[in-house]
Amino acid sequence: QSALTQPPSASGSPGQSVTISCSGTSSDVGGYNYVSWYQQHPGKAPKVMIYEVNKRPSGVPARFSGSKSGNTASLTVSGLQAEDEADYYCSSYSRSNNFGVFGGGTKLTVL
Amino acid sequence: EVQLVQSGAEVKKPGESLKISCKGSRYSFSNYWIGWVRQMPGKGLELMGIIYPDDSDTRYSPSFQGQVTASVDKSISTAYLRWSSLKASDTAMYYCAYYDILTGSCDYWGQGTLVTVSS
Repeated sequence: QSALTQPPSASGSPGQSVTISCSGTSSDVGGYNYVSWYQQHPGKAPKVMIYEVNKRPSGVPARFSGSKSGNTASLTVSGLQAEDEADYYCSSYSRSNNFGVFGGGTKLTVL
Repeated sequence: EVQLVQSGAEVKKPGESLKISCKGSRYSFSNYWIGWVRQMPGKGLELMGIIYPDDSDTRYSPSFQGQVTASVDKSISTAYLRWSSLKASDTAMYYCAYYDILTGSCDYWGQGTLVTVSS
């Protein structure tokens, strides 16, 4: 069982918006502004899309945004495009083990 | 930009030993943590452990303590992950990553090393 809880799947049509949640506890997601989101296409290494809850690395489209409320973080993909179809993972610093922990991943399907 | 290049795919038998590598470039390798991440077939990401190249300070996730050994040779900017006796359940893709110790984030990733353990 993963430390952070994500829905196994999400979907949306091209142009729509979709939000993926990442639930933790006050020892990880809720306690720190250190949530990251990763995109992984089949057969490829993960790529960081959001760090520190809502910051985008250079080169990541503005369609990707992050937020947090309480113990739940969210990744929103606006204006869905075919190339956004991928697995998405959240991670957070965890005080419980002084380590980063991952969510179980969400498969995003663009219909 | 940070670059991490991992060693190639391996096919091993149960009980054999293995060491895979991860070479960093285009940044000050000694001064940033390296993390190792496991991804079993069809499964999610698991942070196994982290190592600080400058002094080899190493920390393991409880699930991986005693199962693998992380090491580093900072003179050649290379991190390693070693198994002394592989099991079939070690079959997975293994990634190294530039790990931010403050945020728990893996900011840059290697391309992955596929390890297959089969009799």
